[in-house]
Amino acid sequence: AQKVTQAQTEISVVEKEDVTLDCVYETRDTTYYLFWYKQPPSGELVFLIRRNSFDEQNEISGRYSWNFQKSTSSFNFTITASQVVDSAVYFCALSDANTGFQKLVFGTGTRLLVSP
Amino acid sequence: DTGVSQNPRHKITKRGQNVTFRCDPISEHNRLYWYRQTLGQGPEFLTYFQNEAQLEKSRLLSDRFSAERPKGSFSTLEIQRTEQGDSAMYLCASSLAVRYTEAFFGQGTRLTVV
Repeated sequence: AQKVTQAQTEISVVEKEDVTLDCVYETRDTTYYLFWYKQPPSGELVFLIRRNSFDEQNEISGRYSWNFQKSTSSFNFTITASQVVDSAVYFCALSDANTGFQKLVFGTGTRLLVSP
Repeated sequence: DTGVSQNPRHKITKRGQNVTFRCDPISEHNRLYWYRQTLGQGPEFLTYFQNEAQLEKSRLLSDRFSAERPKGSFSTLEIQRTEQGDSAMYLCASSLAVRYTEAFFGQGTRLTVV
């Protein structure tokens, strides 16, 4: 069965600190996709990134970077020089062939609090 | 606004009443999904449509729940005889019918059953 674990329930940092959000996944499929979404207080889930299982290159987008390691089944997310606007709940999610790639299995989320 | 739209944003209802939520997806998206999110948890899949066909339903979707997408555009989610355990955020998402594309979510409808 598919499972996504985000062991960090809540992280508090001061603005400009770097922070890494951990994500560990389980799947029996060799083809799967990993996602990160941000959920601000307004409630809407905002798509951040999608990664397929065949592409282990790390990705950087501005202050955001992602580290995908199949050997440890991890897909960690780092925010560099955090800002107050980064405060939100962040979800890691998985879709795979078992789900027909039609639905996302989410972790329980990590709440990030960035204080000024 | 061309995003996913959900109405109402908030709904308070008494136990035993029926409620209906509406979702308007991004216009060119032919897939539409419903998820439920309880406090402190990640969203859980409920059901999805491709055009007007409902292709999968989760075991979470009891017989008190019904979803429709009559013309392949907007969708409704109805809960009959609401229970306190139905209190949650109901999220709608839409996507194109390509397997590796991301889903775009609406702001959700928060249901409180009192």
